[in-house]
Amino acid sequence: DTGVSQDPRHKITKRGQNVTFRCDPISEHNRLYWYRQTLGQGPEFLTYFQNEAQLEKSRLLSDRFSAERPKGSFSTLEIQRTEQGDSAMYLCASLEDSRTDTQYFGPGTRLTVL
Amino acid sequence: DAKTTQPPSMDCAEGRAANLPCNHSTISGNEYVYWYRQIHSQGPQYIIHGLKNNETNEMASLIITEDRKSSTLILPHATLRDTAVYYCIVRVGDYGQNFVFGPGTRLSVLP
Repeated sequence: DTGVSQDPRHKITKRGQNVTFRCDPISEHNRLYWYRQTLGQGPEFLTYFQNEAQLEKSRLLSDRFSAERPKGSFSTLEIQRTEQGDSAMYLCASLEDSRTDTQYFGPGTRLTVL
Repeated sequence: DAKTTQPPSMDCAEGRAANLPCNHSTISGNEYVYWYRQIHSQGPQYIIHGLKNNETNEMASLIITEDRKSSTLILPHATLRDTAVYYCIVRVGDYGQNFVFGPGTRLSVLP
């Protein structure tokens, strides 16, 4: 499968713990996006990278959240000191740097904070 | 980016055409209309996008009114697997920008 992959698909953690998610974009896609989706809502933008540079961060991305894309390929999203309000689906999408502008989404990581 | 308005839910009989409307009355000249869908527990899937001409691909057709203030996504022969939430998004076609998703339309295809 050459699509966007995310790991893990599900994560259950206790409040206060740290969690890290991984996203592997489509090969050669320069841009990588993170979104968060809560029940019944559409996805909300968190941050995006062009290669290894983080170019934009949403106000939703509190200081407990950090994202990296160290080699311009896969990316990680870490949440420190998780809170119950962090429970959501975390989606990753990638885009080839071109004018077609179609983002391809991964299956998401569903986080449940107890 | 212009705001869009979609009905919260729609039903469609299997095998019939599903016509999903979207209003975007404040759309500006350089903004595209995109459609994505999200099947339960999966990531959003790109369907189609257009600027002002009608577009068709293997999944769907997109009809944009002449004044561009509204559009319709047409699934010509809906199947049970088309049951999903459909999102209409309007944004400048400047690659790299994030998408702003609304609540979408929940389409239920009924047997």
